[in-house]
Amino acid sequence: GAGVSQSPRYKVTKRGQDVALRCDPISGHVSLYWYRQALGQGPEFLTYFNYEAQQDKSGLPNDRFSAERPEGSISTLTIQRTEQRDSAMYRCASSLDRGLFFGPGTRLTVL
Amino acid sequence: AQSVSQHNHHVILSEAASLELGCNYSYGGTVNLFWYVQYPGQHLQLLLKYFSGDPLVKGIKGFEAEFIKSKFSFNLRKPSVQWSDTAEYFCAVNAGSGNTPLVFGKGTRLSVIA
Repeated sequence: GAGVSQSPRYKVTKRGQDVALRCDPISGHVSLYWYRQALGQGPEFLTYFNYEAQQDKSGLPNDRFSAERPEGSISTLTIQRTEQRDSAMYRCASSLDRGLFFGPGTRLTVL
Repeated sequence: AQSVSQHNHHVILSEAASLELGCNYSYGGTVNLFWYVQYPGQHLQLLLKYFSGDPLVKGIKGFEAEFIKSKFSFNLRKPSVQWSDTAEYFCAVNAGSGNTPLVFGKGTRLSVIA
């Protein structure tokens, strides 16, 4: 596609449920990044991939969070046993060189 | 570790006023610098970027930013703002080698009033 797409755009879930957030990067982009943005804050780095290899996951808050990009294209961010503090906008971005192109984000609300 | 400071949380300007949004970063090595904008209801868009060369970079919609290495700054400017510039502005930095995560500032909300 022309840009980065994310699905779902909105997700409301109950505490304790697992959620999977999907990112489809710009075709041909090598790098894919996941960020989380709380209200009134800047995007906070979670993890990133070059092709299918996870390069850095130092930003993942705890082991309930995981991400994969098995074929070097689409990526899934999974949050297990969600908690209310996980509520945020989750943003995906892809990159060919040094600039990031962001998708529309997934607004996650944990009740 | 890199960090980015944006000094102004919320700026309110009248149309046609000049704009300058401050951004300072901390990183000892070569950096790439970015300004992103988020219009209401839309996603983050790249406004302008600096990799090397002329420290005064021009972006879309009349915005420009100046990299001052000695001050670790990359302030965003626009001579005359319009109502449509109302948005949130984020400064970001990554290491000069590229393909490393961007570190973002907390953002500055700009409100332009008629």
